[in-house]
Amino acid sequence: DTGVSQDPRHKITKRGQNVTFRCDPISEHNRLYWYRQTLGQGPEFLTYFQNEAQLEKSRLLSDRFSAERPKGSFSTLEIQRTEQGDSAMYLCASSIRTLRDQDIYGYTFGSGTRLTVV
Amino acid sequence: QKEVEQNSGPLSVPEGAIASLNCTYSDRGSQSFFWYRQYSGKSPELIMSIYSNGDKEDGRFTAQLNKASQYVSLLIRDSQPSDSATYLCAVGVYNFNKFYFGSGTKLNVKP
Repeated sequence: DTGVSQDPRHKITKRGQNVTFRCDPISEHNRLYWYRQTLGQGPEFLTYFQNEAQLEKSRLLSDRFSAERPKGSFSTLEIQRTEQGDSAMYLCASSIRTLRDQDIYGYTFGSGTRLTVV
Repeated sequence: QKEVEQNSGPLSVPEGAIASLNCTYSDRGSQSFFWYRQYSGKSPELIMSIYSNGDKEDGRFTAQLNKASQYVSLLIRDSQPSDSATYLCAVGVYNFNKFYFGSGTKLNVKP
């Protein structure tokens, strides 16, 4: 078990460019979450997958954001036409199969991708 | 109103003292409660979970839950400088598939 992996760790991009982040969850976890965290704030929920199905998407997420999880394995988060307000740490988390187990064991977070839009 | 409220701190305690961190939540349907530790520039790390009223102890950490008062706390005994971090409270509502996080309390443990 290598934990939750995120790539890249850091991304600097110019405003207006598109960026894509990748997350590889813990292999036996079928739930995958994307959160965004800005300085001094707690993580904010963006979207959630159970297997390959995207079951919930936050109202915070504009149409410029899209996430996929093909075949229920890794996930990608794409931001199109980036804006300076998109600068944040993007965190991926995964959790174990059942809601009851999730209640007990919580999430495992990846190391995050820090995005800076200049 | 935010779902989960924490005092942002910083909370400063001397080494060896007890640090007390508090969190309140708004949704009475909340069922599961977590404390995460986050070092600067790093991702959150789960340190405690609790879902029944009362106390739960794990080493130097004790989580306390009072659902009637919608209050959860974390006590850190014998605080060490390595405990200096931001502590995030997270709350899960039954049958909802996500957790709500507070903004975190920054803890400084002074040698």
